[in-house]
Amino acid sequence: AQKITQTQPGMFVQEKEAVTLDCTYDTSDQSYGLFWYKQPSSGEMIFLIYQGSYDEQNATEGRYSLNFQKARKSANLVISASQLGDSAMYFCAMREGWRFNKFYFGSGTKLNVKP
Amino acid sequence: EAGVTQFPSHSVIEKGQTVTLRCDPISGHDNLYWYRRVMGKEIKFLLHFVKESKQDESGMPNNRFLAERTGGTYSTLKVQPAELEDSGVYFCASRSSTDTQYFGPGTRLTVL
Repeated sequence: AQKITQTQPGMFVQEKEAVTLDCTYDTSDQSYGLFWYKQPSSGEMIFLIYQGSYDEQNATEGRYSLNFQKARKSANLVISASQLGDSAMYFCAMREGWRFNKFYFGSGTKLNVKP
Repeated sequence: EAGVTQFPSHSVIEKGQTVTLRCDPISGHDNLYWYRRVMGKEIKFLLHFVKESKQDESGMPNNRFLAERTGGTYSTLKVQPAELEDSGVYFCASRSSTDTQYFGPGTRLTVL
């Protein structure tokens, strides 16, 4: 079974509008971490935001926020006031348990911001 | 502070040849990970070093892949002999004691 599911292969958003990128996860562990990374066309993977399973408040980092709904096992990324530079691939990832810390990734969402 | 660096950025080799990829983690990061993304698929875990020891190599596809991290600093990933299905982007990531892994820019490997 897929550990991380991103159901939106591609999305468009108008500049200055907000956009939500979906991510659902599957784990039976009580302790896990959820991450979002941005991969622009240049190829590097840029860390955006982190949510721990025990964190009660949704994580925020500037224009990025993570809408964490534990019961639904979803960890959607919200980008407010989209900018042209936000056009990129976005990957959701999960760290499961504490022993090994390896990540499971989703297939990614390609976001295009229109001027 | 320098980020994770990887060399080369691109490599094109023929089937049956050997290729060695290098990763330099962020200074002081004991944890080093290798991942791979083959065309159109998810990024998949290959292995994890803690200092110079292999903590988890459950994702290594077969014995044609050999990873080392001598001295607990940089790491190399050797593919010998390379096959067509080894083509993809190989990412390295490093982590200190926190949860977040910081990724390098990747090495794009093409096996012809």
